[in-house]
Amino acid sequence: GESVGLHLPTLSVQEGDNSIINCAYSNSASDYFIWYKQESGKGPQFIIDIRSNMDKRQGQRVTVLLNKTVKHLSLQIAATQPGDSAVYFCASKGAGNQFYFGTGTSLTVIP
Amino acid sequence: DAGITQSPRHKVTETGTPVTLRCHQTENHRYMYWYRQDPGHGLRLIHYSYGVKDTDKGEVSDGYSVSRSKTEDFLLTLESATSSQTSVYFCAIRDADPNEQFFGPGTRLTVL
Repeated sequence: GESVGLHLPTLSVQEGDNSIINCAYSNSASDYFIWYKQESGKGPQFIIDIRSNMDKRQGQRVTVLLNKTVKHLSLQIAATQPGDSAVYFCASKGAGNQFYFGTGTSLTVIP
Repeated sequence: DAGITQSPRHKVTETGTPVTLRCHQTENHRYMYWYRQDPGHGLRLIHYSYGVKDTDKGEVSDGYSVSRSKTEDFLLTLESATSSQTSVYFCAIRDADPNEQFFGPGTRLTVL
């Protein structure tokens, strides 16, 4: 079946540095991807999305890169802040209306 | 925040009892989803709905049933709760286009 995986379960960065979180997906037919942020005790929060006809999309302090050749997705957070500490995971939209989720990378920002 | 609420937010129940979780949306979105989240696993789909009275199974549907009699409400029922169903349950909504999927705050269910 389809799967989505993250490369690192944990990541620590200094405040002000850039963070990069990576994700791999298995289904080459996936046409839509989302990055979520989840803080402890809360529901996942939508950060940014990208369609498969794009390579890059930018939001406020975040950029998502999509490499369809190697089925890889990354989230870049610029000038990481303490409030960015959370678990981040990606989701891919598979066939039909189902989404598949990675297990998440826990980001810790060191002041 | 997307207008999604879940109730109850916390529940403790005993093995063998029926449990119903409710998801309510005010966005009039077509699709609604029920997921469970467990340590070491990504969010896993239980059931989803693509319209009133239209539902389909996800990858972990055994032991769960759903109903959607109105656009705004999606109910998840555990007919006879088991300890393996102890989890955090999230509801999500999505419109046909764009594809953004938004999550509710979650329900923490403990089955003793």
